[in-house]
Formats: sequence, C-alpha cells, structure tokens
Amino acid sequence: ETGVTQSPTHLIKTRGQQVTLRCSSQSGHNTVSWYQQALGQGPQFIFQYYREEENGRGNFPPRFSGLQFPNYSSELNVNALELDDSALYLCASSLAGGFEKLFFGSGTQLSVL
Amino acid sequence: GQQVMQIPQYQHVQEGEDFTTYCNSSTTLSNIQWYKQRPGGHPVFLIQLVKSGEVKKQKRLTFQFGEAKKNSSLHITATQTTDVGTYFCAGPYDMRFGAGTRLTVKP
Repeated sequence: ETGVTQSPTHLIKTRGQQVTLRCSSQSGHNTVSWYQQALGQGPQFIFQYYREEENGRGNFPPRFSGLQFPNYSSELNVNALELDDSALYLCASSLAGGFEKLFFGSGTQLSVL
Repeated sequence: GQQVMQIPQYQHVQEGEDFTTYCNSSTTLSNIQWYKQRPGGHPVFLIQLVKSGEVKKQKRLTFQFGEAKKNSSLHITATQTTDVGTYFCAGPYDMRFGAGTRLTVKP
C-alpha cells in the first residue's frame, strides 16, 4: 500500500454536472499530481500541485481545476461534465514538486451518463 | 512536447517465456521510470533510470537505459502468471506516460 487515499472509489454523474474528487497524499509528500486514465490507455497528466500552487498542467480545459490544502491533500474539480470525462482518475504523491517516484492511489472511477 | 512511445502494445506469452517491452523518446530524457499496473489496479513504481547505459535488475526484471538516453527497455526472464499487467514507461517533467504494453501470460 502506498498510503495515498482517494475518495470516492466510484461515482456516477450525468452530463453537465460538477464533481469533486479527493486525495490524501502519502505522509511526507508535499506534491500531488492528478491523472486521467481512459480504459486501455496510459495515464494522462492533468496537473500537479506543490505547496498549494499549481506546478504544471497538461492539455486539459479550464473546467478541470484543483486545489491543494496546507496538509497537502488535494481536490480535483470538474465542471460541466461531458461523456468523455468518464475515466479512472488517479492521484499520485511525490516529493518536492517533482515527477520522480510517483505513488498512486487506487483511483476514482467516474462514469458520466 | 515530449512523447514516449512504447512497443509492443500487447504481448501474450506462455508461462516461462521471456518478455521485452521497449520505450522510445524523440528527445533526450534526464531520467525514465517504469510502472506496472495490474488489471483493475493502479500504477506501481518499479524503477527509475538516470545514467546513460544504465542497467538495473530486480529479480527476473532487467531494465536498461540507452546510451543516448532516448530509449529504454524492460525485460522479464521466465515470465510467471504474477507478471500479468500493463507496463508503462514515463518520462520526466510532466511524467508523460507511454501507452503501455499489456502482458498476458498463459499458464
């Protein structure tokens, strides 16, 4: 086990709704990265938070937003859900704003109907 | 932007056979990492390679980083059913993952 926890594990939403996914990082890790993984695909980088600031962003629209809290936990918010947003959302923690040795949580499976 | 390409996309082997997956980048990488994702699971960090020509072993797994630091490979000797899963390479910076190689093993 990595110590990275995500909630909820599964979620069903309808198109146009908003969703918030949560992640608690591994103890000692101050950096959280979020990924979207569609079925049969590799994880796609959404963004990274380091010390409560966005520290890089992938090719995702602004309706994907995030937060990091003083305890380094993080939220991913998605507005105006689309059918193509259906995927496994993975949170990964690491040290010091880097992309080395990511420790992933078990993910949130989001289904948009 | 940086892209890492993996081949093959799928590999089906008989238990006991060897398996190799390759990762190629269009640009020089400062490091490369390998992850394994079991069916229904999440990616798990396997190893990081940093030095040109580096070779690292973990039991039956051998990881190599090319001399030009643009390619890498993962070789599994004598596969077992526990090796089943998708193997991803990932470059640095935004940790861009390859599409992965899905390994299935027939007992």
